[in-house]
Amino acid sequence: GNSVTQMEGPVTLSEEAFLTINCTYTATGYPSLFWYVQYPGEGLQLLLKATKADDKGSNKGFEATYRKETTSFHLEKGSVQVSDSAVYFCALSAGNNRKLIWGLGTSLAVNP
Amino acid sequence: DTAVSQTPKYLVTQMGNDKSIKCEQNLGHDTMYWYKQDSKKFLKIMFSYNNKELIINETVPNRFSPKSPDKAHLNLHINSLELGDSAVYFCASSAVGDSSYEQYFGPGTRLTVT
Repeated sequence: GNSVTQMEGPVTLSEEAFLTINCTYTATGYPSLFWYVQYPGEGLQLLLKATKADDKGSNKGFEATYRKETTSFHLEKGSVQVSDSAVYFCALSAGNNRKLIWGLGTSLAVNP
Repeated sequence: DTAVSQTPKYLVTQMGNDKSIKCEQNLGHDTMYWYKQDSKKFLKIMFSYNNKELIINETVPNRFSPKSPDKAHLNLHINSLELGDSAVYFCASSAVGDSSYEQYFGPGTRLTVT
């Protein structure tokens, strides 16, 4: 079946450090891939997405590339800020029932 | 111009009570969802409706009953609340014609059962 595996947190970084959060998936067909972010006390919001192989999603300095050969969609940012502290979720959509398959979430804390 | 709204934002109640959470979206989407997020941030899909028709019904106790009066609203009624129901409940919606099935989330309802 379809599944998403993302690295466990918490991840703690200093401001301006490089961030990578790994995400790999298992899916039949050609899923769309997402990164969602949840800031403290808020709902989830879409950070970026990619709908086909080799697509790169980007937003707010974050990037992720849809790699079909490695079934991965790792999230990266070159220089994190304190305001990036949040929980990040990797997800995929597959099948025609509009269900998203979610990773467990990775908590990121950025210290000044 | 809130996209997906939920009421109430906080709900504190005692075991055994019955409560409802309301969700509305003004995005014109045709599919709506309810999620439960536990204290470890794990997200679990509970239900999904497409044009008022139930399309996803995960393994959820019968005490939980969704109701969709129209495609802009999806309410969640919970009977005989238990301590384990304490969580944050999120409503979400997605659009017809969006083949990626991107979902838009509400701000969440924090339910505390004492």
